[in-house]
Amino acid sequence: AQSVTQLGSHVSVSEGALVLLRCNYSSSVPPYLFWYVQYPNQGLQLLLKYTSAATLVKGINGFEAEFKKSETSFHLTKPSAHMSDAAEYFCAVRQSGTSYGKLTFGQGTILTVHP
Amino acid sequence: GAVVSQHPSRVICKSGTSVKIECRSLDFQATTMFWYRQFPKKSLMLMATSNEGSKATYEQGVEKDKFLINHASLTLSTLTVTSAHPEDSSFYICSATLPASGYEQYFGPGTRLTVT
Repeated sequence: AQSVTQLGSHVSVSEGALVLLRCNYSSSVPPYLFWYVQYPNQGLQLLLKYTSAATLVKGINGFEAEFKKSETSFHLTKPSAHMSDAAEYFCAVRQSGTSYGKLTFGQGTILTVHP
Repeated sequence: GAVVSQHPSRVICKSGTSVKIECRSLDFQATTMFWYRQFPKKSLMLMATSNEGSKATYEQGVEKDKFLINHASLTLSTLTVTSAHPEDSSFYICSATLPASGYEQYFGPGTRLTVT
């Protein structure tokens, strides 16, 4: 089964600094990968997804992620952090062999943005 | 488009009672819905996959007699926590898939359950 690992449960950056949230995956087949954001006491919002098309994926709110097969990584980046980016971020992989889109989530990374 | 709602957003119930949580796809028909549980400062744990008109498929370790799932229509799935105990207190999130979007999951806003 596919899995994802998020390195770093907490990341803290200054406003305007680069945001880098790490995600590595394990999959024996080409994966579908996702990044979601969750604000306190809310559900998940899709930031972006990789579905085997372009390796550099652009998402909402200025976020992007690059699929690197050689490194089995799908790190999330944003050039300049805003205070409003403070939230928890989840990387997820779609399980292959299911027709329903079942997802497995990473442990999550809490992003804190300092003024 | 692709909006999923949950009701209630928060519920407090007494130990031993049952509570029902609704998940609705508001502007699309969802053949499949998922139910997740999220503990504080933890990731989402898939509880079950719910397909319209058939029995839910539960993940290993999830008690199907305790967490009853019904998916009676293409826009509504319900999760009933039976004989709730304080350890059932958690944040429950549902999602719905839209086949036309490649089975992308759209998430509801979550329900905070507190069992006293």
